[in-house]
Amino acid sequence: NAGVMQNPRHLVRRRGQEARLRCSPMKGHSHVYWYRQLPEEGLKFMVYLQKENIIDESGMPKERFSAEFPKEGPSILRIQQVVRGDSAAYFCASSPNAEVNTEAFFGQGTRLTVV
Amino acid sequence: GQQVMQIPQYQHVQEGEDFTTYCNSSTTLSNIQWYKQRPGGHPVFLIQLVKSGEVKKQKRLTFQFGEAKKNSSLHITATQTTDVGTYFCAGLGHGSNYQLIWGAGTKLIIKP
Repeated sequence: NAGVMQNPRHLVRRRGQEARLRCSPMKGHSHVYWYRQLPEEGLKFMVYLQKENIIDESGMPKERFSAEFPKEGPSILRIQQVVRGDSAAYFCASSPNAEVNTEAFFGQGTRLTVV
Repeated sequence: GQQVMQIPQYQHVQEGEDFTTYCNSSTTLSNIQWYKQRPGGHPVFLIQLVKSGEVKKQKRLTFQFGEAKKNSSLHITATQTTDVGTYFCAGLGHGSNYQLIWGAGTKLIIKP
């Protein structure tokens, strides 16, 4: 049973380009959470998705950022027109149900560097 | 909004010394989870505390949840080099069943 898979592990983008980050949850998990982590800081919640639904995107910037979790395929976090301040580690976590009453399984993260 | 403060930000210890990190929430929590993140790695779940005053142990690690369910601590006895990393607490506030509020983490550094 593979864990949460994120790719790419490292992504370098020039300012103004688009970044696409992928997350495949654990088998049997239909809930995905995206977090951003700046260096030397904790994780900041961005968005919570179920298959084909965005449940809570209150932590995601309203402009340039979007997320989806289609019926088939991985969840995608998309950042358009990246800026230097978007450089961070982006982690996704998955769970089998809606309630965080058990451990969250994290992927290895995508480290985005904007140059 | 809800906040979880975690102190200290860094702690340098000699191998064999003890280590403690503390978390304080601005509001009462439903539960609190602890994670460890190695340098360059991803957060890995350690434990969850749910009950008021709960104490749980994992070998040299002791986790406590305060009586008011607003604070928590992690204590490591006799640190080893394998303990190096950043320890995060993450609390689930009342009224939410999924949105964890994360502390900023305490980085454990073992002095050579």
